[in-house]
Amino acid sequence: DVKVTQSSRYLVKRTGEKVFLECVQDMDHENMFWYRQDPGLGLRLIYFSYDVKMKEKGDIPEGYSVSREKKERFSLILESASTNQTSMYLCASMRGGTGELFFGEGSRLTVL
Amino acid sequence: SQQGEEDPQALSIQEGENATMNCSYKTSINNLQWYRQNSGRGLVHLILIRSNEREKHSGRLRVTLDTSKKSSSLLITASRAADTASYFCATDANYGQNFVFGPGTRLSVLP
Repeated sequence: DVKVTQSSRYLVKRTGEKVFLECVQDMDHENMFWYRQDPGLGLRLIYFSYDVKMKEKGDIPEGYSVSREKKERFSLILESASTNQTSMYLCASMRGGTGELFFGEGSRLTVL
Repeated sequence: SQQGEEDPQALSIQEGENATMNCSYKTSINNLQWYRQNSGRGLVHLILIRSNEREKHSGRLRVTLDTSKKSSSLLITASRAADTASYFCATDANYGQNFVFGPGTRLSVLP
């Protein structure tokens, strides 16, 4: 069974803290994505990666960075968390060209 | 740059009824997909329809695509309480490099 695993389902952090959200897929997919989901706004793309060490900015990259050192792992980093980054974060992967996204269960981050 | 807009925002029906959700988008696409999300969980892929297709079926799901109107609809027939979820359309304009999701339709199926 295909699987995308996000490291934490729930996190609570303080303003200014550094936050790491990790995502691992076991499907050997080339493409990986980080979205954030907020009520009424749907999913918004933060960053995506189509290969190891490659990254592309999505629609809302400000305040975030990513790392893809291995094909199966795509990390989202909040260098200095702020309250407006409180959100649900969703990781997804896709085999190149197929068009079907496989999502993790999500990480709900609260920044106090 | 939000592409997909689902309509209605929320829909409440009785078990056994059909549920129809619509999606409109703004620019040309390669394909359009529908996803389902149970409360607090990740999204699950339901169906993909390519820009040269007009209709597609999968079990109780029927999707149509009208590229001239830039719109799609998702029909769930004979709905069940377990179909209660949010449904999202996602457009792909750049061969998988960047999907754009709408805000979703929240479907409630009452037993």
